[in-house]
Amino acid sequence: GAVVSQHPSWVICKSGTSVKIECRSLDFQATTMFWYRQFPKQSLMLMATSNEGSKATYEQGVEKDKFLINHASLTLSTLTVTSAHPEDSSFYICSARPRTSGRGKDYNEQFFGPGTRLTVL
Amino acid sequence: QQQVKQSPQSLIVQKGGISIINCAYENTAFDYFPWYQQFPGKGPALLIAIRPDVSEKKEGRFTISFNKSAKQFSLHIMDSQPGDSATYFCAASKTGTASKLTFGTGTRLQVTL
Repeated sequence: GAVVSQHPSWVICKSGTSVKIECRSLDFQATTMFWYRQFPKQSLMLMATSNEGSKATYEQGVEKDKFLINHASLTLSTLTVTSAHPEDSSFYICSARPRTSGRGKDYNEQFFGPGTRLTVL
Repeated sequence: QQQVKQSPQSLIVQKGGISIINCAYENTAFDYFPWYQQFPGKGPALLIAIRPDVSEKKEGRFTISFNKSAKQFSLHIMDSQPGDSATYFCAASKTGTASKLTFGTGTRLQVTL
């Protein structure tokens, strides 16, 4: 249980185009989803937190107009990188926190997706 | 005050040995401390997590030791195996509406034969 999927797993796009990444919780409902960015050999950096039906909360330094987040349902959140440039190339990972903590599970527990590798040419 | 410091940056352990990774935090409001394992090109996977009301938690070969007064916690991997070779991240969060995770810098573990 507690599976999170991401689509696509990798994408290559031209500079100036927009790219949408989907994050789905497959077997649970997620009140909160998180979007992270990870550069090679570095840690995960939180970009934004999204709650179903409300606007995302962005971390300091993250441009909300460039990284559009939509949390349309309790199982789907999308990240759109608008007007992508080579410096946006990175590994984007989402995570989801279940609506209710399961037996033996912690309320704070987050389940991560497999990540999306974005390369902007 | 939001930082989580992790050491060492890299670690080489022989098969069957014990791998030890340490983390220290500053924010005393943190009350949830998970460890994640990440393989190249994959998302992190939760290994084990602890809350401050216990000093140790064990799940299989993985043990977390927690020292609340020192604001430190560590991961011990017993009987390390080549399949354990991965990057390990500690993290911390405080219970609340957002429960954002603050990650350590990561430790690249290599288990040799």
